Amino acid sequence: GQNIDQPTEMTATEGAIVQINCTYQTSGFNGLFWYQQHAGEAPTFLSYNVLDGLEEKGRFSSFLSRSKGYSYLLLKELQMKDSASYLCAVPGGSGGYNKLIFGAGTRLAVHP
Amino acid sequence: GAVVSQHPSWVICKSGTSVKIECRSLDFQATTMFWYRQFPKQSLMLMATSNEGSKATYEQGVEKDKFLINHASLTLSTLTVTSAHPEDSSFYICSANTDSSTGELFFGEGSRLTVL
Repeated sequence: GQNIDQPTEMTATEGAIVQINCTYQTSGFNGLFWYQQHAGEAPTFLSYNVLDGLEEKGRFSSFLSRSKGYSYLLLKELQMKDSASYLCAVPGGSGGYNKLIFGAGTRLAVHP
Repeated sequence: GAVVSQHPSWVICKSGTSVKIECRSLDFQATTMFWYRQFPKQSLMLMATSNEGSKATYEQGVEKDKFLINHASLTLSTLTVTSAHPEDSSFYICSANTDSSTGELFFGEGSRLTVL
C-alpha cells in the first residue's frame, strides 16, 4: 500500500522561501505529484517528478529522491496568494497507475 | 490542459433524499474517472474509480449501495448519494486523466453537499 507524510501546517513571510517536505512509502513507484488547493476549490497541478533531482518551474521547484522516499516542494518569493494547501500524491498500486493517493496536505499561511 | 466540469457546484438537500452529481470531460474522452471526498481541513480521500461501460471499483470502507456511480459514456460519470444524511455533507470532487504518460489528473470544480 501507500503511506504519505507531510507537515500539517506551515507559516512563512511574504517574499521568503519555504520548503514543504513529503515522505512516502509505496509498493511500486510511478512518480510523485504536487498539487495546490485553495480553500473551497479543486486542486491544481503543480509538478510531477519521476526521476531523482530538482525540477524548476518558475517560483516553484520540486525535488525527488527515490532512494530516500523523499520529496520537497520549494516556493520562492512567496506571495499572499500562495496561502493554500499543498498536497503530495503518488499513484496507487495495482488498482491503477492513474489512481492518485493523496497525503493529508500541508496548509501554508503566508503573512505580510 | 484538459477540462473537467462538475455540476452542481453546491447543493443543499433534506436528510433521506438522494442527490446526483455529474462529472464531464469537456475536451477529451475519459474511460476512467475518479471520485474523491474531502471533509473540512482534510485531504482528498479516494472513494471509487468509475469505469466506462462497467462497474465502478470502490475503495475499502465506501458503501457502493449508498454512493451509486454510473459511467455510461466516455465523457460523463455520475455519483448519486442515496438516502443522504448529515454525515454525508462534504466536498465531492471528480477527476480524470488524458492518456498522457504522466498520469496527471485534471479535477472538476467540486460539489459541496450539505445535508440538513
